Amino acid sequence: DTAVSQTPKYLVTQMGNDKSIKCEQNLGHDTMYWYKQDSKKFLKIMFSYNNKELIINETVPNRFSPKSPDKAHLNLHINSLELGDSAVYFCASSQDVTGVEKLFFGSGTQLSVL
Amino acid sequence: QKEVEQNSGPLSVPEGAIASLNCTYSDRGSQSFFWYRQYSGKSPELIMSIYSNGDKEDGRFTAQLNKASQYVSLLIRDSQPSDSATYLCAVKGFSAGANNLFFGTGTRLTVIP
Repeated sequence: DTAVSQTPKYLVTQMGNDKSIKCEQNLGHDTMYWYKQDSKKFLKIMFSYNNKELIINETVPNRFSPKSPDKAHLNLHINSLELGDSAVYFCASSQDVTGVEKLFFGSGTQLSVL
Repeated sequence: QKEVEQNSGPLSVPEGAIASLNCTYSDRGSQSFFWYRQYSGKSPELIMSIYSNGDKEDGRFTAQLNKASQYVSLLIRDSQPSDSATYLCAVKGFSAGANNLFFGTGTRLTVIP
């Protein structure tokens, strides 16, 4: 069983479209994250949720809206996609907010905006 | 100024050699440091953590920490082709009142058979 699963793995879309990425973890963790990795491999936190509550929101454009229906799921919706949004988006989870040291990552979603 | 800096490489070493990966960080108050390995097209995975000055060994891997110099390194002994990957240094800090990991841009390591 995959611990942290995210879909889709690849997402190719046109500028201006709206798209969503879904993430689910079956580890029983309390805390989930969205990270963005650019073409230079720089991995940066976007959002963090603990038990469905937003705890980190790192100066991300408000076109990005995370949603956590329960603590096992954290989805990412992106409105009005721009070329600069092209990147790999990783979902991750940790035991709790203090367990950020050991992150379990999903396999990533490669987003290409044309 | 980036919070965590690494030489992006690529770093090439022959099989069996020692690979040395370096990382510096800007926040003097940081207490926890990590190395993640990321194979091409895959997700990062935690391979080492270190919290105190000095060395920490785990198999062929040794993490070294010098808080006074704000420097963390990872040594890989007897390098194998399977070690070829990007190695990400990460430092635990605080962001908006919550724990957060700040990553470097990674060093790409190639082990030549």
